[in-house]
Amino acid sequence: AQTVTQSQPEMSVQEAETVTLSCTYDTSESNYYLFWYKQPPSRQMILVIRQEAYKQQNATENRFSVNFQKAAKSFSLKISDSQLGDTAMYFCAFSRYNNNDMRFGAGTRLTVKP
Amino acid sequence: GAVVSQHPSWVICKSGTSVKIECRSLDFQATTMFWYRQFPKQSLMLMATSNEGSKATYEQGVEKDKFLINHASLTLSTLTVTSAHPEDSSFYICSARAPSSTLSREQYFGPGTRLTVT
Repeated sequence: AQTVTQSQPEMSVQEAETVTLSCTYDTSESNYYLFWYKQPPSRQMILVIRQEAYKQQNATENRFSVNFQKAAKSFSLKISDSQLGDTAMYFCAFSRYNNNDMRFGAGTRLTVKP
Repeated sequence: GAVVSQHPSWVICKSGTSVKIECRSLDFQATTMFWYRQFPKQSLMLMATSNEGSKATYEQGVEKDKFLINHASLTLSTLTVTSAHPEDSSFYICSARAPSSTLSREQYFGPGTRLTVT
């Protein structure tokens, strides 16, 4: 079974600074997808960034980028120029290539301080 | 685009009664919908996967007779919690996958439904 581990229950960062959230996963698959989702206080899940395992290039979406280390099964999220609106729970998720479901990590609560 | 709605957003019911939660894809046809449960300050736990026109596939440990899922159309899936008890109180979230996102595995999430059983 696939497992997703987020070892940082809570993190904080000063506004405008950079923060990195860690995620590791366990799988025997070679093709799969990884995601970072954001859940603000409204509890609406929002896709932040997506990485396809067969792509070596790290995904980037504006201030959000990932460091995907396939051999180490690591998928960290870097948030640059942190903004107050980035305050939320962040979930790392894994989906197998030929399977419907998505497995989530326990989440990291990020607080951006003014 | 890719908006998923849920109704109701919050429901309170008495122990022993049943409650139905609707999940709709507003601007796309969802071949596959998912139901998750989220306890306070915890992660999302997949309960079941439903494909339009077929029976739902439940995760291990989820009682299919208690959590009835119907995916009768490409835009609507319902979750019925039957004979609800206080321990069923939770936040229920649905998500949908459009055919165009099948390869990317992206899911579009609804805003969630808070169920409180008294």
